[in-house]
Amino acid sequence: AQKVTQAQTEISVVEKEDVTLDCVYETRDTTYYLFWYKQPPSGELVFLIRRNSFDEQNEISGRYSWNFQKSTSSFNFTITASQVVDSAVYFCALSEATGGFKTIFGAGTRLFVKA
Amino acid sequence: DAGVIQSPRHEVTEMGQEVTLRCKPISGHNSLFWYRQTMMRGLELLIYFNNNVPIDDSGMPEDRFSAKMPNASFSTLKIQPSEPRDSAVYFCASSASGGGAYEQYFGPGTRLTVT
Repeated sequence: AQKVTQAQTEISVVEKEDVTLDCVYETRDTTYYLFWYKQPPSGELVFLIRRNSFDEQNEISGRYSWNFQKSTSSFNFTITASQVVDSAVYFCALSEATGGFKTIFGAGTRLFVKA
Repeated sequence: DAGVIQSPRHEVTEMGQEVTLRCKPISGHNSLFWYRQTMMRGLELLIYFNNNVPIDDSGMPEDRFSAKMPNASFSTLKIQPSEPRDSAVYFCASSASGGGAYEQYFGPGTRLTVT
């Protein structure tokens, strides 16, 4: 069965600090997809990144970077030089082929960035 | 381009009443998802459709919940009769294809309060 664990419930940092949000997943499939979504205080979920199980390349997009490691079943998300606007709840999600690509979300990590 | 549209944005109803939530996916998207978000249970997938056909409804909590997608541009989630424990934010999301294998675009949500 698929499972996503975001062990960090809340993280608080001061602006300009770097912060890493952890995501550990469980799946028996060889074909699966991982995602990160952001939910700002306004409430709407916003897609950030998608990775398939065959592509372990790390990705950088501006201040955001993602580290995908199949060996540890982790897909961690780092924000460099955090800003107050980064304050939000961040969700990691998994879709696996066996489940018909049903999406399972982690519990989310609430990030507070203080000025 | 219009994103996913949900209505109403807020709904307050009394226990026992019927509630209908509505969703218009992004034009051209083939997959549609209904989620429920609560503090206790997080973000849960209730049901998803591919090309208007329900693919997985294992997340629908009870027979009181039903969802339909009569055409590619409209879906409803109905709760009859409603109960206080149904109070939550209900999100609709759509994706281009392939169910949960691709990124989902979420609507603003409907905040349901059942008294």
